Amino acid sequence: QSALTQPASVSGSPGQSITVSCTGTSSDVGAYNFVSWYQQHPGKAPRLMIYDVNKRPSGVSNRFSGSKSGNTASLTISGLQAEDEADYYCSSYTRSNTWVFGGGTKLTVL
Amino acid sequence: QLQLQESGPGLVRPSETLSLTCTVSGGLIRSESYYWGWIRQPPGKGLEWIGSIYYSGSTNYNPSLKSRVTISVDTSKNQFSLKLSSVTAADTAVYSCARGYCSRTSCYVAGDSWGQGTLVTVSS
Repeated sequence: QSALTQPASVSGSPGQSITVSCTGTSSDVGAYNFVSWYQQHPGKAPRLMIYDVNKRPSGVSNRFSGSKSGNTASLTISGLQAEDEADYYCSSYTRSNTWVFGGGTKLTVL
Repeated sequence: QLQLQESGPGLVRPSETLSLTCTVSGGLIRSESYYWGWIRQPPGKGLEWIGSIYYSGSTNYNPSLKSRVTISVDTSKNQFSLKLSSVTAADTAVYSCARGYCSRTSCYVAGDSWGQGTLVTVSS
């Protein structure tokens, strides 16, 4: 299975909105609504930010939202804040009953 | 509060077998709908799912690692373990254990319960 495709980097200014894409295939992202997004700060464990495409775990800011269209999922962060600067990873369940991650996107808050 | 803790050697020789154990505290590993997984991250690189196991012993593995990976569970000790054979320098990574969840309507590879991660270096 191939890793999901994410842009290597995105950037935005405080207060702006950014979107990170995650492109897979009809065997993973397009197959189920089981896409999740993780935030990882340097030296820290990943934190679940979005699951099942667009659900937020308790404690996650509503500035984070997710969506999916076909084989591409997206994470949108609105009202960008300095603490949002981190690496973001998408993951998806696959038809082979396995999991696959994206390559990761580095978000820089300018 | 559920806690996970990895343990095992931090240095493994090439061609040998990497062995790690994840001890779960604050909750039972024998939980419906939850499963237990291993995820690794080479230095400076992205996340890679290694495999997962349910308390029943049912496993799923990353196809690219399947021939070398074995994940097992010991419910009496509330632990699950990872063995990765024939390691090379490419297997050098931070290895983390985590709890995932999967039902008919909701599924994620890892939730809010992760171990701190342990760096395993493959070197002679």
